[in-house]
Amino acid sequence: AQKITQTQPGMFVQEKEAVTLDCTYDTSDQSYGLFWYKQPSSGEMIFLIYQGSYDEQNATEGRYSLNFQKARKSANLVISASQLGDSAMYFCAMREGILDKIIFGKGTRLHILP
Amino acid sequence: NAGVTQTPKFQVLKTGQSMTLQCAQDMNHEYMSWYRQDPGMGLRLIHYSVGAGITDQGEVPNGYNVSRSTTEDFPLRLLSAAPSQTSVYFCASSYSAGTQETQYFGPGTRLLVL
Repeated sequence: AQKITQTQPGMFVQEKEAVTLDCTYDTSDQSYGLFWYKQPSSGEMIFLIYQGSYDEQNATEGRYSLNFQKARKSANLVISASQLGDSAMYFCAMREGILDKIIFGKGTRLHILP
Repeated sequence: NAGVTQTPKFQVLKTGQSMTLQCAQDMNHEYMSWYRQDPGMGLRLIHYSVGAGITDQGEVPNGYNVSRSTTEDFPLRLLSAAPSQTSVYFCASSYSAGTQETQYFGPGTRLLVL
């Protein structure tokens, strides 16, 4: 069974609109961490945001926020006021336990339209 | 800090050849990992290490070996290259500080096996 599910293979969004990228996860651990990464067409992996399972507040980093709904096991990435430079592949990832392996979802390709 | 470095950037191998992909980090991170990225498959974890002398298998470990003799270095060895190992390989390291965790990726190694 997939541990990390990203159900949107691709999305098209108008510039300046907010974007929500979906991520659901599956774990029985109480302690885990959730990550989001951006991969532009140049290929590098860029860390965006992290949420620990014990954090009660949603993580935020600039225009990025993580909508953490523990009971639903979802960790959606919200990008406010999208820009053309946000066009990229976005990956959700999870670490189960403490200092354990980090595994990735299959990603969502985001296209920002001018 | 140089961050996470990987060498080589690009490599062509013939079936059956062996080689080592190098990965080094200068941030004193305990956790390091290797991923491969194939089109449409996201990133799949090959091996990971939670500290010097400790390694463990990820999702797709067959055909690869790792060792971690120092905190800084985490080489990935292909024992007998096969065309199915044609991929982009990423090395990553991560640290946690309090409730925050960050994972950094190297620039990747593009491997072609003929």
